[in-house]
Amino acid sequence: EAGVTQFPSHSVIEKGQTVTLRCDPISGHDNLYWYRRVMGKEIKFLLHFVKESKQDESGMPNNRFLAERTGGTYSTLKVQPAELEDSGVYFCASSQEWLGGTDTQYFGPGTRLTVL
Amino acid sequence: QKEVEQDPGPLSVPEGAIVSLNCTYSNSAFQYFMWYRQYSRKGPELLMYTYSSGNKEDGRFTAQVDKSSKYISLFIRDSQPSDSATYLCAMRYLRGKLIFGQGTELSVKP
Repeated sequence: EAGVTQFPSHSVIEKGQTVTLRCDPISGHDNLYWYRRVMGKEIKFLLHFVKESKQDESGMPNNRFLAERTGGTYSTLKVQPAELEDSGVYFCASSQEWLGGTDTQYFGPGTRLTVL
Repeated sequence: QKEVEQDPGPLSVPEGAIVSLNCTYSNSAFQYFMWYRQYSRKGPELLMYTYSSGNKEDGRFTAQVDKSSKYISLFIRDSQPSDSATYLCAMRYLRGKLIFGQGTELSVKP
């Protein structure tokens, strides 16, 4: 079974440009999460989808970030316009529906974003 | 104040040593406690999770939770060079987002 995949693995852009990150969750996983790790800091939650609906977007830093999950499959995270402080590693995680307990979140390898 | 505190290290030990990694937290509403391992340029991988106070063992790894002290630990016995990685504690309510510690970088020297 394929794991969570993310594309691109690394992106270098200029301040003010737009970047779109993609996440393909494990097939059949309804829950999809976005997290971000800024250098020297802990991994922080951004957003949670259940199928195509946004369940929790309390971690989104500002309106320059837009996440979508059309059709409840893959998800994209667009940053427009990018700022220097957006640099970091963006992780995607997916999990199955909760079944009377907690769910295990499986992480992708991350997209390393560098804004110059 | 951060919800989860974890010493970032780095921590260097000789092969075969017992490793102790720790996190403290401030929110007593957390219900699940996880330990993730992350190798360089990879995503976090779940090692263990616990729900209640007490110990949980899996091979060379033991996770310990003390809810009264808001303190969790991960012990690695007979550490191997392949255990060299960053270890992240994470916590959550019943469901939803994970709240991570900063991660402890561990190096096991042959």
